[in-house]
Amino acid sequence: GAVVSQHPSWVICKSGTSVKIECRSLDFQATTMFWYRQFPKQSLMLMATSNEGSKATYEQGVEKDKFLINHASLTLSTLTVTSAHPEDSSFYICSAPRSGGQGTEAFFGQGTRLTVV
Amino acid sequence: AQKITQTQPGMFVQEKEAVTLDCTYDTSDPSYGLFWYKQPSSGEMIFLIYQGSYDQQNATEGRYSLNFQKARKSANLVISASQLGDSAMYFCAMREGPGSGGSNYKLTFGKGTLLTVNP
Repeated sequence: GAVVSQHPSWVICKSGTSVKIECRSLDFQATTMFWYRQFPKQSLMLMATSNEGSKATYEQGVEKDKFLINHASLTLSTLTVTSAHPEDSSFYICSAPRSGGQGTEAFFGQGTRLTVV
Repeated sequence: AQKITQTQPGMFVQEKEAVTLDCTYDTSDPSYGLFWYKQPSSGEMIFLIYQGSYDQQNATEGRYSLNFQKARKSANLVISASQLGDSAMYFCAMREGPGSGGSNYKLTFGKGTLLTVNP
């Protein structure tokens, strides 16, 4: 079946550095990918919608200059956390829907646990 | 207003017993989809079951069934014959609009229910 691969699964970085997270659809083309953030013991909150070939759409309150999203191809979307700070420490997870389905094909990556020290 | 409400922060169940996890939703869109995901401590989101707003029958997938009561706007998850491996966080989520691809697939999640299965 379809698989979404997300890397890295965890990363520790120093405050002020940037971190790139990749999300790949392995056996289908994903024109749209979604990026969510989850703080400990909380729900998933949508950050942005990544669209291949066009600019990402950010949810209210999400800083687009801090969370750079690039959807370079039909199988790859990247999220870059720029100038990371401890408050950016969180679990980031992507989702890639398979177009044409009826709602059952909302596949998630494995998630990335980011710790900023 | 919350679009997805899960009123049970935590639930306990004995192994081999059935358990119901509650979920109510709020939308004015006639076309929507409801999902349940399991999130173990590893963090991955495991898809369990899906119910479309126009589906006439309740969805079932193995030990999981969705008790869909459209008039009440509820979509409770029933897990039968609980197993120790079922201990995890469970999220109810909703997609508003038809599932025809693209941005329609963004999901709104509830706050989750932490299920603990006791031996």
